[in-house]
Amino acid sequence: QVVESGGAVVQSGGSLKLSCVASGFTFDDFGMHWVRQSPGGTLEWVSFISWDGEGVYYADSVKGRFTVSRDNSKTSLFLQMNSLRAEDTALYFCVKDIKAQLVRAGYMDVWGRGTTVTVAS
Amino acid sequence: QSVLTQPPSVSGTPGQRVTISCSGSSSNVGSNNVNWYQQLPGTAPKVVIYNNNRRPSGVPDRLTGSKSGTTASLAISGLQSDDEATYSCAVWDDSLFAWVFGGGTKVTVL
Repeated sequence: QVVESGGAVVQSGGSLKLSCVASGFTFDDFGMHWVRQSPGGTLEWVSFISWDGEGVYYADSVKGRFTVSRDNSKTSLFLQMNSLRAEDTALYFCVKDIKAQLVRAGYMDVWGRGTTVTVAS
Repeated sequence: QSVLTQPPSVSGTPGQRVTISCSGSSSNVGSNNVNWYQQLPGTAPKVVIYNNNRRPSGVPDRLTGSKSGTTASLAISGLQSDDEATYSCAVWDDSLFAWVFGGGTKVTVL
């Protein structure tokens, strides 16, 4: 399973760091995603990090503002969010991929319950 | 506006068959595997179909996935009250170099 934390209410332009702790699988065998769900309910992929942290990828909507990282020794995933905007308000999910790298054949198979980020304008 | 188009809602009576469509383009549905997620109210999404038509263990065979061209479909036969949830499709997009999701379809059992 994966368990997210760190969500909060933050002012527009502010920063926040989300964390996710994994258990029950070999963390450093798999790539990990962050996916968010807007208040309207639509899911949006945010970021992916490969098993070794060498491959990082972002949605255009967050590129340059968010940074994904991981600490395999602590089976943890992180998302540093800077220059937050109202449109970043969402429930953020930590999600495991079935593959170690970002490949077309992968998919998301284990989801956490999410942590809520609210950006106040 | 989602890259993948799904109907906002579908409904049926117990025992009926309903189908949810996921319409995309040649850069996503037309060239990559489609996955389907079920989200019960207040819970995290759960994969119910992967690689277009494969079911994870524990998912009933009443749920079937298919794909033709740039449209994927999820069919639920023998509709039950437990099936009331929102279903979203997801696929890798080669042009956007990103995972994209449909807007989600709420299934209601009348």
